Amino acid sequence: DAKTTQPTSMDCAEGRAANLPCNHSTISGNEYVYWYRQIHSQGPQYIIHGLKNNETNEMASLIITEDRKSSTLILPHATLRDTAVYYCIVSYGQNFVFGPGTRLSVLP
Amino acid sequence: DAGVIQSPRHEVTEMGQEVTLRCKPISGHDYLFWYRQTMMRGLELLIYFNNNVPIDDSGMPEDRFSAKMPNASFSTLKIQPSEPRDSAVYFCASSPVWGRHTEAFFGQGTRLTVV
Repeated sequence: DAKTTQPTSMDCAEGRAANLPCNHSTISGNEYVYWYRQIHSQGPQYIIHGLKNNETNEMASLIITEDRKSSTLILPHATLRDTAVYYCIVSYGQNFVFGPGTRLSVLP
Repeated sequence: DAGVIQSPRHEVTEMGQEVTLRCKPISGHDYLFWYRQTMMRGLELLIYFNNNVPIDDSGMPEDRFSAKMPNASFSTLKIQPSEPRDSAVYFCASSPVWGRHTEAFFGQGTRLTVV
C-alpha cells in the first residue's frame, strides 16, 4: 500500500504557482520523498526527490517539513502542459509504490 | 540514449492466447521494473530485476504471468493464457545503481486489450 496521502484533484490558473501537498506521516529515516507525474497516455515522469532538505530543479521545488511528515511540490509557473496526475512516493530504493495521486488541472 | 523502449505499443489478442511484451532498458541501468496500470487499481509494481536477476515478484498476479531478463538489454513479460481482465497498460522502467536514489525512467507503455 502507498504510504502517502494526497488530495484527489486540484485546479490551478495558468501562470500561477501550483502547490501540491502530500502527507507521509509514517516515513522512516532512510526513505526519500519522490515526485513523479503522468501526462495522459504517457509513462510516469520523474520530477524531483529529497530526503530532508528542500530541493529545487528546473521543473519544480520540493519543500519537506522539518519532521518529514509532509511535503509540498511547487510548480512555480504552471502551464497547460503541466496538467497531469502527480504522484508522491516515499521509498528507500527505486521499487516505487504508486498511490492514486493528485490530478492537477491547469486552467487557461 | 533513446530511453526505455517497449514493444508493441498496442496489442489486441483473443482470450486464451499467449501474449509477450518486450522491453529494452536504458544502457547501463542495473534495475528493471514491470508495472501494470488499470483504472481500478492504478499503477501496480509486478516484478523487478537487479542485474538480470528477479528480486521481487510478489506483485505478479498469478502463475499465468511470467517475466524474464535473459541479458542486460532485454526483458519480456509473458501472459499465458491471457484473459480479458489482463487488459491494461503495461509499463517497463529502468533505473541506475541502487543507493544513488536517482530517478526511474519509464517507457511509453504497451496497451493490451484481451477480447
